Amino acid sequence: DAGVTQSPTHLIKTRGQHVTLRCSPISGHKSVSWYQQVLGQGPQFIFQYYEKEERGRGNFPDRFSARQFPNYSSELNVNALLLGDSALYLCASSSTSGSYNEQFFGPGTRLTVL
Amino acid sequence: AQSVSQHNHHVILSEAASLELGCNYSYGGTVNLFWYVQYPGQHLQLLLKYFSGDPLVKGIKGFEAEFIKSKFSFNLRKPSVQWSDTAEYFCAVNENTGRRALTFGSGTRLQVQP
Repeated sequence: DAGVTQSPTHLIKTRGQHVTLRCSPISGHKSVSWYQQVLGQGPQFIFQYYEKEERGRGNFPDRFSARQFPNYSSELNVNALLLGDSALYLCASSSTSGSYNEQFFGPGTRLTVL
Repeated sequence: AQSVSQHNHHVILSEAASLELGCNYSYGGTVNLFWYVQYPGQHLQLLLKYFSGDPLVKGIKGFEAEFIKSKFSFNLRKPSVQWSDTAEYFCAVNENTGRRALTFGSGTRLQVQP
């Protein structure tokens, strides 16, 4: 069975640029969450989407946005990149948006901002 | 706001030694508790979870954790570690109603020496 997939694997951008990260959830999963993991820290929640609607937002600036498509895949967009946005961006999927449901994580996209 | 503390940042053990990793959270309401593991080069995987019931939960690969409500703790244990347990371990919490996002600790890097 295919797990959560993310693309690209690695990405290098310069300050001020825009980036789009993509995530495909496990087949049958309708909820996607995004997390940012800075080196040496645990993942930090950015967004959760369920059935194409935003169900939660973490403490991130408006430069961060996301959306979920009818096929439940998702994109995370970051505008006006800063050096501090360099991190591993993780996508997690779950069957529903409920808190009891296990979240399955993808391998992440490593973003480097120069 | 919730927070999760993992006091052991880096633990080095010899094979067959016993393991206990500390996790404390700050939230007064009812929570769900998780331990995730990240093996070198791999994505985050769920080790075990606690929602309700028996406070001693067993997970994969011989790991277990005990929820002590009065101490706001959910420590991870394993009686005898193996070299293959070398990984980073993350404790995570979410509220069982409302906000469903996971709040992670900063992680504990476990190094098991053969």
